[in-house]
Amino acid sequence: DAKTTQPNSMESNEEEPVHLPCNHSTISGTDYIHWYRQLPSQGPEYVIHGLTSNVNNRMASLAIAEDRKSSTLILHRATLRDAAVYYCILRDLTGTASKLTFGTGTRLQVTL
Amino acid sequence: NAGVMQNPRHLVRRRGQEARLRCSPMKGHSHVYWYRQLPEEGLKFMVYLQKENIIDESGMPKERFSAEFPKEGPSILRIQQVVRGDSAAYFCASSLAQGATNEQFFGPGTRLTVL
Repeated sequence: DAKTTQPNSMESNEEEPVHLPCNHSTISGTDYIHWYRQLPSQGPEYVIHGLTSNVNNRMASLAIAEDRKSSTLILHRATLRDAAVYYCILRDLTGTASKLTFGTGTRLQVTL
Repeated sequence: NAGVMQNPRHLVRRRGQEARLRCSPMKGHSHVYWYRQLPEEGLKFMVYLQKENIIDESGMPKERFSAEFPKEGPSILRIQQVVRGDSAAYFCASSLAQGATNEQFFGPGTRLTVL
């Protein structure tokens, strides 16, 4: 599986935008980029995914570099409820494996 | 529409006892995944089941652990003769279908403590 690299932790002020980076220099052409997050004492939850084009949904935006070797999850206005560990995960479209391979993720702290 | 349900939420067992963790997937989902999160560590895949079949058990320890997803009823993760190292949060997820574009929906987890 192609590997992802994320900063261990980031801090943000409430109401400010947050840009969470992810490097995936060995990504293959059939890898989707997924983001999940895990709030304290809860199970992970899906945030967003994309292949080549930037994506928006009600939770966040995903900006994918032109060469696809990196991506950025954008939270437009961080709130205290966004404090969580954010995981960037690659999933191969052609593979039969359906499991999610979690790395260490980025722990986001949001302060007032 | 209820989400993924897991019970019990907390389970305490003494060394050598058996632990049974239950997972009811979202309505209409026939694909179930189990993950384990050891204290201060990341989530690790254990097993993937699709109604009555084990599809991928590459993350499951070879001994003492088993999983099933019967035609009727919840998926069960069973740990026999538990040891202290089994203490962890066990999360179940379900999806509508297999594959890279299908979102996995996670339950709240079962926190197992082995005394």
